[in-house]
Amino acid sequence: GAGVSQSPSNKVTEKGKDVELRCDPISGHTALYWYRQSLGQGLEFLIYFQGNSAPDKSGLPSDRFSAERTGGSVSTLTIQRTQQEDSAVYLCASSPGLRGDTQYFGPGTRLTVL
Amino acid sequence: ELKVEQNPLFLSMQEGKNYTIYCNYSTTSDRLYWYRQDPGKSLESLFVLLSNGAVKQEGRLMASLDTKARLSTLHITAAVHDLSATYFCAVDRGGTSYGKLTFGQGTILTVHP
Repeated sequence: GAGVSQSPSNKVTEKGKDVELRCDPISGHTALYWYRQSLGQGLEFLIYFQGNSAPDKSGLPSDRFSAERTGGSVSTLTIQRTQQEDSAVYLCASSPGLRGDTQYFGPGTRLTVL
Repeated sequence: ELKVEQNPLFLSMQEGKNYTIYCNYSTTSDRLYWYRQDPGKSLESLFVLLSNGAVKQEGRLMASLDTKARLSTLHITAAVHDLSATYFCAVDRGGTSYGKLTFGQGTILTVHP
C-alpha cells in the first residue's frame, strides 16, 4: 500500500524566503508528526497532530515555524524568513494513532537555504 | 530532559562477525524503537520494545530492553553486507510526551567482506 509521501523531495531557497513543505500521511492514520534531521542536531521532534486535538508544537524551534493539518489528512509545514540554520531534511511520519503505534516515516524533504 | 545516547557511533564489521549496539536513555520511558536508515533514504521501523525484558528478533538482528538499567541493545549476528546502514534507537516517554520520539545519535554500521 501507499506509504507516507512528501513533497517536494528537494527545495533550494534563498535566505529570507518562505517555504512550504507538504506531507500526505498513510490513509486512515490519525496521528502525524514532523521531525527535522540535520548533521549538527540529529533527529529532532518538531510538531505532532492527533485527530482533532490541538497540535503539540513543543518542538518547533522558533515562531518562524508553523504547521497545519487540513481535514485530518494532509499537513503543511511552513518556515517563514528562512535562515541558513534551517537547512536540514524534514521528515514526516504517521501512525494509526493508537497508543504506542509505530511511526512510519516518509522520504523527507531536503531543504537547502543559501 | 530526556537524553538518548548510542554507542558506538561508528562500527566497522567483517562479514560473519557478531556485534552489539547500545542505547542508553536518561529517564523512564514508555517504549523504545529501533529504526534503520539507508543513505539518502527515510527511516524503516525494525522493532518496538514495550516492557522490561522484552526481546525481539528478525533475521540477524535481535533487540532487547532493560528498563531498570535504561538500556536497549541491538545485537547483530553473523553480519552481512546488506546490514550496512545507520541504526537509530528512539524513546517514547509516554504520558504527556506520548508520540514525541527522542532519537539517539545513530550508529553508522559498515560491513566489510
